[in-house]
Amino acid sequence: DTEVTQTPKHLVMGMTNKKSLKCEQHMGHRAMYWYKQKAKKPPELMFVYSYEKLSINESVPSRFSPECPNSSLLNLHLHALQPEDSALYLCASSQTRLQGITDTQYFGPGTRLTVL
Amino acid sequence: AQSVTQPDIHITVSEGASLELRCNYSYGATPYLFWYVQSPGQGLQLLLKYFSGDTLVQGIKGFEAEFKRSQSSFNLRKPSVHWSDAAEYFCAVGSRNTGTASKLTFGTGTRLQVTL
Repeated sequence: DTEVTQTPKHLVMGMTNKKSLKCEQHMGHRAMYWYKQKAKKPPELMFVYSYEKLSINESVPSRFSPECPNSSLLNLHLHALQPEDSALYLCASSQTRLQGITDTQYFGPGTRLTVL
Repeated sequence: AQSVTQPDIHITVSEGASLELRCNYSYGATPYLFWYVQSPGQGLQLLLKYFSGDTLVQGIKGFEAEFKRSQSSFNLRKPSVHWSDAAEYFCAVGSRNTGTASKLTFGTGTRLQVTL
């Protein structure tokens, strides 16, 4: 089973709201990723968690706050977003291996976020 | 720095015709290469991957890709396209882990349209 689930599927929020996106996987993967994808563009990496610790932050604004409460869950907390943050937010997971190796990332279906 | 080029932004083929989507990469060592497919509003699904070994890789849905080191290419092929293959296709190269997680660099994508 290579399933990554994301909730909600769609989210509409105002610029003053606080909301959260949730991602879950049960493949035993210890690396989890958040991507942002604008229309007709490839996904852009935002954050990487490895063994529940933040490994990579691609200079994302602080209005996006990731959290990895356990090895199966990944959250993205949203606060004071701007309309330009409207996008498809994708979660992915992969195994973790020794240095020098890369791993296949498996993606969830995404959350379509609209900021009004 | 690694990079991926997908020269064709949009391709239209007739159902039943053969398909080839081009991908060129730039990477300093032996690359890890992926093809993903994305239907509108959906997440990315892994079609196939190349890590090492046989340069002709078979994937799901009847797709295959050939790694050609001399041409820095990893083109995706399908002998007979179905209308359900209409989607966005992304080629990606994976970096080696510098810690315990790796990064993907995506091409800009090729939108495939299938005419009946």
